[in-house]
Amino acid sequence: GAGVSQSPSNKVTEKGKDVELRCDPISGHTALYWYRQSLGQGLEFLIYFQGNSAPDKSGLPSDRFSAERTGGSVSTLTIQRTQQEDSAVYLCASSRGQGVYEQFFGPGTRLTVL
Amino acid sequence: GQSLEQPSEVTAVEGAIVQINCTYQTSGFYGLSWYQQHDGGAPTFLSYNALDGLEETGRFSSFLSRSDSYGYLLLQELQMKDSASYFCAVRVRDGGATNKLIFGTGTLLAVQP
Repeated sequence: GAGVSQSPSNKVTEKGKDVELRCDPISGHTALYWYRQSLGQGLEFLIYFQGNSAPDKSGLPSDRFSAERTGGSVSTLTIQRTQQEDSAVYLCASSRGQGVYEQFFGPGTRLTVL
Repeated sequence: GQSLEQPSEVTAVEGAIVQINCTYQTSGFYGLSWYQQHDGGAPTFLSYNALDGLEETGRFSSFLSRSDSYGYLLLQELQMKDSASYFCAVRVRDGGATNKLIFGTGTLLAVQP
């Protein structure tokens, strides 16, 4: 079946603009995660959705970052008033449920803020 | 806070065995995962240890010692295609989210002919 997909694959924007990044998880996966990976670094947890529960937003770096998940499927990560330090690869992952430890990652969106 | 340590780079030759260590300091520990990421690619799951001991999956094995807050990934019969970054990740319970992963900064493995 199809894996996790993300769009766009690349996004170049100007400082101060808003951007929206999209994630389509694997069908039937109830858990969805967003991570950020800066060049040569590890993955930084941003936010976690599980079913209809309130999301875990503990990793969001500032109030310029927000995410939603509609209908328990597609998720959108929004960054408002982008800054140059927001430049990174944003990765989305999904898993079958809360107690499942294997996460399936999408190819990521490379965001460049000029 | 939560922290993981792993070597930044490891070099080995084809056919050899390499061990990548990971030490962690976390609260709410559930288990240790390993992910592989080729340059420009998405991370892919390799293994997970919830209990002490060795888990073997083909050429890859992973070990965990909960009392020592330590684990490692063992890669045998190295192949050129194993050149990639390897991340350890701790699964933690944090505010009720039992599937949250905290990642290390990764180990870049270079396999030489």
